[in-house]
Amino acid sequence: EAGVVQSPRYKIIEKKQPVAFWCNPISGHNTLYWYLQNLGQGPELLIRYENEEAVDDSQLPKDRFSAERLKGVDSTLKIQPAELGDSAVYLCASSSLATDTQYFGPGTRLTVL
Amino acid sequence: SQQGEEDPQALSIQEGENATMNCSYKTSINNLQWYRQNSGRGLVHLILIRSNEREKHSGRLRVTLDTSKKSSSLLITASRAADTASYFCATAPSGGSYIPTFGRGTSLIVHP
Repeated sequence: EAGVVQSPRYKIIEKKQPVAFWCNPISGHNTLYWYLQNLGQGPELLIRYENEEAVDDSQLPKDRFSAERLKGVDSTLKIQPAELGDSAVYLCASSSLATDTQYFGPGTRLTVL
Repeated sequence: SQQGEEDPQALSIQEGENATMNCSYKTSINNLQWYRQNSGRGLVHLILIRSNEREKHSGRLRVTLDTSKKSSSLLITASRAADTASYFCATAPSGGSYIPTFGRGTSLIVHP
């Protein structure tokens, strides 16, 4: 069974540029999460989807961040414009409705110069 | 905000020794999970313990949960160099929607 796939693995951009991250969850997993992880910290939830519905996006900075999960499968997280403080690892995870166990992708390491 | 807090922040031991790390949290929970993260990788689920359970085992891992103290511990027995990683606890608050909250993690180094 394939795991959670994320791309790109690494991204370097200049501030004020847009950037997008893509996530493909484990097949059959209805719930998808986007996390932000700063160095030396634990993951912080940005947004959680159940199928195509965003059920918790209270931590998502909506002035510059946006996310979508069309058709309830793949998801894209976008930042526009990026700021220096957005440099972090962006993790995607998925789970089935039957369990709280999350399966994480390898993450996208973003560096904003 | 991060509800779960792991302790210690860093732990350095020799191969073969046991490693114990703790997690404290603030509000009532449905379950608590432990995850491992190797450098530059995503998190890997280790074990889930429900609020009505007190102890759970999985291979060399032993997890305890004390809901009266709002704390959990993860014991890794007979550690190996491959256990070197960061370990996080994640709590699932009781009531309302599931908003997982991770702590800052314990960085474990096992010296061969």
